[in-house]
Amino acid sequence: DAGITQSPRHKVTETGTPVTLRCHQTENHRYMYWYRQDPGHGLRLIHYSYGVKDTDKGEVSDGYSVSRSKTEDFLLTLESATSSQTSVYFCAISESGEDRNGYTFGSGTRLTVV
Amino acid sequence: KQEVTQIPAALSVPEGENLVLNCSFTDSAIYNLQWFRQDPGKGLTSLLLIQSSQREQTSGRLNASLDKSSGRSTLYIAASQPGDSATYLCAVPFSGGYNKLIFGAGTRLAVHP
Repeated sequence: DAGITQSPRHKVTETGTPVTLRCHQTENHRYMYWYRQDPGHGLRLIHYSYGVKDTDKGEVSDGYSVSRSKTEDFLLTLESATSSQTSVYFCAISESGEDRNGYTFGSGTRLTVV
Repeated sequence: KQEVTQIPAALSVPEGENLVLNCSFTDSAIYNLQWFRQDPGKGLTSLLLIQSSQREQTSGRLNASLDKSSGRSTLYIAASQPGDSATYLCAVPFSGGYNKLIFGAGTRLAVHP
């Protein structure tokens, strides 16, 4: 998707290992989000950021941490991956935090924890 | 706590049919509702954003309506085509701002020739 890229696109990792997913944007948007998508659940918010070094938890934040040291990058870290974290992870950006602006999503990272 | 439900979970129709996808939400105090499209293995693409002050939005063959009082939105697709095959998700903002979204589980649509 133009303006927002996620890396890696696919990853297989072992239980107990740390994993970091990267979201990079070129739109200079202030707000960034990490969601996970699982069958039957739609997308659920993990963490979000409303500025450099400003982050907060979403509805399914246990086992995840995030960092945002630059406007363009938002990192999601699984400190010790578990099989329940096997999922597709999506990053999204929004120009403002007002609840009237649309979203742009990245293409996703498919993570498998074995 | 806001909950978003989409019915049906899956739909298979012949090409050319007009169809309606449904989205319901439990807390009517929303600022807007968005409809997204997701192709297999891809991210989500925003289709329509309806503000709370609006009743509907149109884009090409798509028309989305919003009835806050009843907690419902519908996405109408006219003259469906095989290229419309995808998963359609609706989403509303969490309370508390920051444009965080709560999603429904989606309706998987298959349009066959």
